[in-house]
Order: sequence, then structure tokens, then C-alpha cells
Amino acid sequence: DAGITQSPRHKVTETGTPVTLRCHQTENHRYMYWYRQDPGHGLRLIHYSYGVKDTDKGEVSDGYSVSRSKTEDFLLTLESATSSQTSVYFCAISERGDGTGELFFGEGSRLTVL
Amino acid sequence: KQEVTQIPAALSVPEGENLVLNCSFTDSAIYNLQWFRQDPGKGLTSLLLIQSSQREQTSGRLNASLDKSSGRSTLYIAASQPGDSATYLCAPPRSGSARQLTFGSGTQLTVLP
Repeated sequence: DAGITQSPRHKVTETGTPVTLRCHQTENHRYMYWYRQDPGHGLRLIHYSYGVKDTDKGEVSDGYSVSRSKTEDFLLTLESATSSQTSVYFCAISERGDGTGELFFGEGSRLTVL
Repeated sequence: KQEVTQIPAALSVPEGENLVLNCSFTDSAIYNLQWFRQDPGKGLTSLLLIQSSQREQTSGRLNASLDKSSGRSTLYIAASQPGDSATYLCAPPRSGSARQLTFGSGTQLTVLP
């Protein structure tokens, strides 16, 4: 199994509070991704990173920011959580970003915003 | 915009059956397509990655095919087992971006002992 650790695995928070989810990898892969999974919408990309300090938006990036200061860590921040951000968040990594690399996923972080 | 459809949405079969899961996509200008399985409460596990230059990819009892011209991929599972019960998702790249995948809603498979 790819060495991907997400933390926290479960979090309950209140509307308006900031939340940071962490993804840590031990594979030294260049590409890292944050997805959210919701019933009826499947998996949707929030943000991704193609190197340290290099990030780009996905299809559902509003309300989220990311940072990558080290190869192994990719942080997802909800500056002011809303109930619509209740979801399961998955981090993924890939060695290659040109469409030829496999994508490996973490176990997920379940976030509930009350 | 890449749109992915997986049929059937759910499937229940007795153990030992061979089965086919279908995936169709609208944008055939893809570099590859990946199949995943997801167990309840878990992350996704990569099963097979088919490059655009390939027509098939095999791993054990799994065989995936890709027909770009028709916008279709199939996942064939031979001699199904209860441990194969999971949701299977296909994911071609998003239109205009090799780095981003578009996921189907998946086929929820139950293999009965």
C-alpha cells in the first residue's frame, strides 16, 4: 500500500470555524491531490499540487485553500467551514502528472460541519 | 466537459459468476483510464491503469479494456468471489487536463456466497 496518512480521520466542527486537513506521504511522489466525495456527486477534485509551493485549482475549489511547503505534506484548509463542506475528503498521490501515472488514495477524512 | 456513466449502478451475483462492468465517457481524447475499487468507509484502491496505446490490461482475475473511439471501457471480473464485493469506479482524465481525473458514480457489486 502507498504510504499516505490523512489526519484527522474524523472531525466535527461548527459553521464558521477554520479547519485544516493534513495529508502526509512517504513515497516522495511529486503530485498530490485533494478530492471530496459526496453522495450523488461522486469524487470531485478540489486542488492539486505539482511540486513544493506549486498548486492549482480543481473543479470545486471555492472555499478551500491549500499549501505544500514540503514534498511529503499537503494541507487543505477551510477558512470558515460551512455545512455544504460536510463531506469525506480524500488525499491522493501520483508519481507522474502527465496522465500516465497511477493515482493512490489515502483512507479519507470525514468532516461534519454543524 | 468529460462526463462518465457507469452501468449498472448496482449488481448482485452469486459467487463464481463472470461479470462485466461498463463505463462510458464523452471525451475520447484521453491519455489513459483507471479503474478503482472502494470498500465501504475506505479509500480507493487502484486496480488497473490502461494507457491510450493499449486495448487491454490484466491483473489476476481482472481484465479491463478500452475503446477510445466509442468512449467505452469495460472491467471483466472472472470467477467472482464474496471478497470482490465493493464499489467499482472508472476514471478517465478530465477534458483538457491529463492531471485531473473525472470519476463515475460507480457500480456497487455484491457477490453472494
